[in-house]
Amino acid sequence: AQSVTQLDSQVPVFEEAPVELRCNYSSSVSVYLFWYVQYPNQGLQLLLKYLSGSTLVESINGFEAEFNKSQTSFHLRKPSVHISDTAEYFCAVSEGSGGYNKLIFGAGTRLAVHP
Amino acid sequence: GAVVSQHPSRVICKSGTSVKIECRSLDFQATTMFWYRQFPKQSLMLMATSNEGSKATYEQGVEKDKFLINHASLTLSTLTVTSAHPEDSSFYICSASQPGQGLRDTQYFGPGTRLTVL
Repeated sequence: AQSVTQLDSQVPVFEEAPVELRCNYSSSVSVYLFWYVQYPNQGLQLLLKYLSGSTLVESINGFEAEFNKSQTSFHLRKPSVHISDTAEYFCAVSEGSGGYNKLIFGAGTRLAVHP
Repeated sequence: GAVVSQHPSRVICKSGTSVKIECRSLDFQATTMFWYRQFPKQSLMLMATSNEGSKATYEQGVEKDKFLINHASLTLSTLTVTSAHPEDSSFYICSASQPGQGLRDTQYFGPGTRLTVL
């Protein structure tokens, strides 16, 4: 079975500073990776995903993530964060099981942006 | 596109009663819907996967008689928490996927339902 590790439970950062949220997954033949963001008391919103092709994927709000097969990583980065980026970020990998596709989530990383 | 709604957003009920939560895909047909449970400051735990017109597949440790799932149409799935107890208090989130891409399917999540059992 797949597993996802998010090494940092919390990441405090000042506004306009760069940030990296780390994500590592267990190895598999085919890997499909996702980053979701959750604002307080809300559901998850898809931030970006890697399915195939270019290993660098970008979101519309300035985040990017790079699929690194050799390091089994899918770290999320943003060069300059805003207060509004404060949220919980979840990395996930898609897994097939018994005919169904499941998402396996990491434990989440709480990004706290301070003024 | 790809909007998923949940109703209600919050519910408070007495111990022993049953609560129904609805999950709807508003602008696409979702053959598969998922139900998750999230405890405070924790990740999402998959409870069950439901396909339209068939029985749900429950994850290990999830009581199927307590958490009844019905996926009656391509746009609606319901989760009923039967005989709720305080330990069932949690944040319940559903998701729906657009069919056709296998493991590449993207799941779109609803806003969640906060259940509090007194």
